[in-house]
This record gives sequence, structure tokens and C-alpha cells, in this order.
Amino acid sequence: SQKIEQNSEALNIQEGKTATLTCNYTNYSPAYLQWYRQDPGRGPVFLLLIRENEKEKRKERLKVTFDTTLKQSLFHITASQPADSATYLCALLDTGRRALTFGSGTRLQVQP
Amino acid sequence: KAGVTQTPRYLIKTRGQQVTLSCSPISGHRSVSWYQQTPGQGLQFLFEYFSETQRNKGNFPGRFSGRQFSNSRSEMNVSTLELGDSALYLCASSLRDTLEDEQYFGPGTRLTVT
Repeated sequence: SQKIEQNSEALNIQEGKTATLTCNYTNYSPAYLQWYRQDPGRGPVFLLLIRENEKEKRKERLKVTFDTTLKQSLFHITASQPADSATYLCALLDTGRRALTFGSGTRLQVQP
Repeated sequence: KAGVTQTPRYLIKTRGQQVTLSCSPISGHRSVSWYQQTPGQGLQFLFEYFSETQRNKGNFPGRFSGRQFSNSRSEMNVSTLELGDSALYLCASSLRDTLEDEQYFGPGTRLTVT
């Protein structure tokens, strides 16, 4: 069956460190993968999109990698800040259903 | 430019009732998608509309329906509400007719069924 897995346990790190979140998928052949941030009680906010032919993408303190062999994407936040505390969701395109399928998200807590 | 707006923000209904939720996409956006978010199931795709046409529907019962108007505004309806329908319902819009576009989400409607 198709699955998108993100670490369900919260990730706690110290301010200034690099946070690394993982998104693994099975039985998908996504053309691209997106990452979103969601704060409590609010809708997700788009962060980055990476295509299957791209290995890495950066935006300010954010970096995403995409390994189609491992079927995995890593999301990094460097020099993390307490304001980065949120739930981070990965999503990939299910071409058969014409829908973005989301992982369950990983909650990141950055301690000052 | 105003973001995606959803009304109402909060709603309490009783089992068996029906409910209609509204979504106004960002001006110029023609694609609207709806999602249900619950703690147990996460974000699940409900349906997607483009130019008033439903292009795809998720794995939800027929009690869940939607439509899109000529101004791209969209509504979703849930009939015969069940306790399990309690969730945050999110609407997202995107600019082009391609799923590669980033989705702009609204704040959601929190539906509680008692």
C-alpha cells in the first residue's frame, strides 16, 4: 500500500542547532515533493518544492534533499530559532488521484 | 492581496444535520481543493475543482459534496453529519491548472459534531 511516513514523535532541539526532519514514502513515484509548515489552529503554509530530478534545494535557512532511490526527503532548518517551532508536513503528488497526499507531520520544538 | 478566506471559522452541529462551508480563493486563482484534517488521520484530500468542474474526489462517502462557482468561490456540503466528521476543514487555492503549484491554504473551519 502507499504510505508517506514522517516521524510522529516531536523533535526537540536547542536554538542555533540544525533541525533535520525526514519524509519517507513507499509505492509512490512522485514527480515532486513539497514541504509545508503548520502552526496550531492555522492552515499549512508552503515552504519549498523539490522535483524528482533535483537533489537539493535551498531557501534562506531551509534546505531540502530528495533521494528517489531511498524514497526519502530530508528537510533541514539551520540556525534554528524558537519561532521555527511548528509542525512540518511533507506532501507529494499522487498523479493517479490528482491530489497532494500529505504525511502526518513532525512537530518541531526549538528551545531557547 | 487577500489570502484564502473560509467561513465560518467555527461551527457546532448535531448528528444528522447538514452543514455548508464556504471558501473564497485568492483573487485570480482558479483551482480550489478541500481537505479534512483530524489528529488521527492527518490531512486528507476531499476534492478539487477547477473552472467549476470537479476534477477529482478523495475516498470519502457521498455525504461529502462540493461545488465551485463562476467566480471560483467554492462550497462543500456534508449531509447527515456523524460524530467522526468533527475535524478542521481546510480549503486551498492555486493559480494554475497544475498540481505542481504551491497550495495556499485558508485558516480552516473547525467543525464539531455533537
